Amino acid sequence: QITLKESGPTLVKPTQTLTLTCTFSGFSLSTSGVGVGWIRQPPGKALEWLALIYWDDDKGYSPSLKSRLTITKDTSKNQVVLTMTNMDPVDTATYYCAHMGTATSYFDYWGQGTLVTLSS
Amino acid sequence: QSALTQPRSVSGSPGQSVTISCTGTSSDVGGYNYVSWYQQHPGKAPKLMIYEVSKRPSGVPDRFSGSKSGNTASLTISGLQAEDEADYYCCSYAGSNSWVFGGGTKLTVL
Repeated sequence: QITLKESGPTLVKPTQTLTLTCTFSGFSLSTSGVGVGWIRQPPGKALEWLALIYWDDDKGYSPSLKSRLTITKDTSKNQVVLTMTNMDPVDTATYYCAHMGTATSYFDYWGQGTLVTLSS
Repeated sequence: QSALTQPRSVSGSPGQSVTISCTGTSSDVGGYNYVSWYQQHPGKAPKLMIYEVSKRPSGVPDRFSGSKSGNTASLTISGLQAEDEADYYCCSYAGSNSWVFGGGTKLTVL
């Protein structure tokens, strides 16, 4: 049974760096072809793909946010970490992590999401 | 990389069919058979409903179907039920380890 859970601060100040952790179970990020992605959703708005990391440490980033994002993994801890620099009020959103299976191109398991609010 | 274009809202009566379109470009929807669809109820995480254009995960009713023509993908829900009322998002692989979502469509069951 695959589960994922996001954790991190609920309140962030503008210009600060956000660090979110996705802790998962039921699969290993050392398994060939597996990936974990991050997707966010501002209140009342659409989903936006942010980043993805594969089992072999290959990575992808949203072109519009690439300069601000870093995604890493800790296979031994079953965790994926997303950092986003220079946070702005428009970054207020629910942040989700999601599983991508071997040699697939879709997100089949999602975490419950964590709401991050920007406020000075 | 712009968001895929979906109608903001669609509606239908119970038992009817509705189709939600998702228009991209030859760099995403048109270039790959890697379109997926997600259902999202208020306050909940998205749920995978269709993958690789037209395949259904185990447990998803066969009332949900997907297709693609050129740069436009479509999700059709037949035999509408009250519980189908939700937001629906398409997503496409866009090359170079990147993905793009649609703007979302709110389905109202009348």
